[in-house]
Amino acid sequence: AQTVTQSQPEMSVQEAETVTLSCTYDTSENNYYLFWYKQPPSRQMILVIRQEAYKQQNATENRFSVNFQKAAKSFSLKISDSQLGDTAMYFCAFLGGDMRFGAGTRLTVKP
Amino acid sequence: DTGVSQDPRHKITKRGQNVTFRCDPISEHNRLYWYRQTLGQGPEFLTYFQNEAQLEKSRLLSDRFSAERPKGSFSTLEIQRTEQGDSAMYLCASSLAWSTSFSLSTDTQYFGPGTRLTVL
Repeated sequence: AQTVTQSQPEMSVQEAETVTLSCTYDTSENNYYLFWYKQPPSRQMILVIRQEAYKQQNATENRFSVNFQKAAKSFSLKISDSQLGDTAMYFCAFLGGDMRFGAGTRLTVKP
Repeated sequence: DTGVSQDPRHKITKRGQNVTFRCDPISEHNRLYWYRQTLGQGPEFLTYFQNEAQLEKSRLLSDRFSAERPKGSFSTLEIQRTEQGDSAMYLCASSLAWSTSFSLSTDTQYFGPGTRLTVL
């Protein structure tokens, strides 16, 4: 079965600085998708960024980028120029034979 | 596009009662998913539909849980004889899929706001 591990339960960063959230996964599949979702306090989950496993190029979305290392089964999220609105739970998710989420990383952006 | 909606947003019930939640997906999405999220954890996949067909239900937590999507549009999740351990957030998501392959044919899932269930 696929597993998704987020080893950082909580992180904090100063506004305007850069932070990297870690995610590792375990799978025997070759074709799959990886996602980072953001869940602000008391608000619904929204997609931050997605990566297709067959693509070597790392996905980027404005201030958000990933470092996808397929051989190492690692999928980290880098947030540049952190903003107060980035404060949220961040979930790494794997879509292959099924859909699995990590336990999440609580990110706090400090002014 | 009004997004995925769920109703009710909050439900408080007594142990042993039945509850039903509704999810309305994004109108052009043919795939609909149900998840459970307990406090401090990531969502846990329960089941999904493609149009009106329930293609995966082995992950439903027990036979007290059932889901339907009779016309391929909205879906309901029912929990019978609720237990205190059922207290959680129940999330619905929808996506556009172009085949029945679970993983290789779906666009991004968009989540609803969830229904928070409290069982007393």
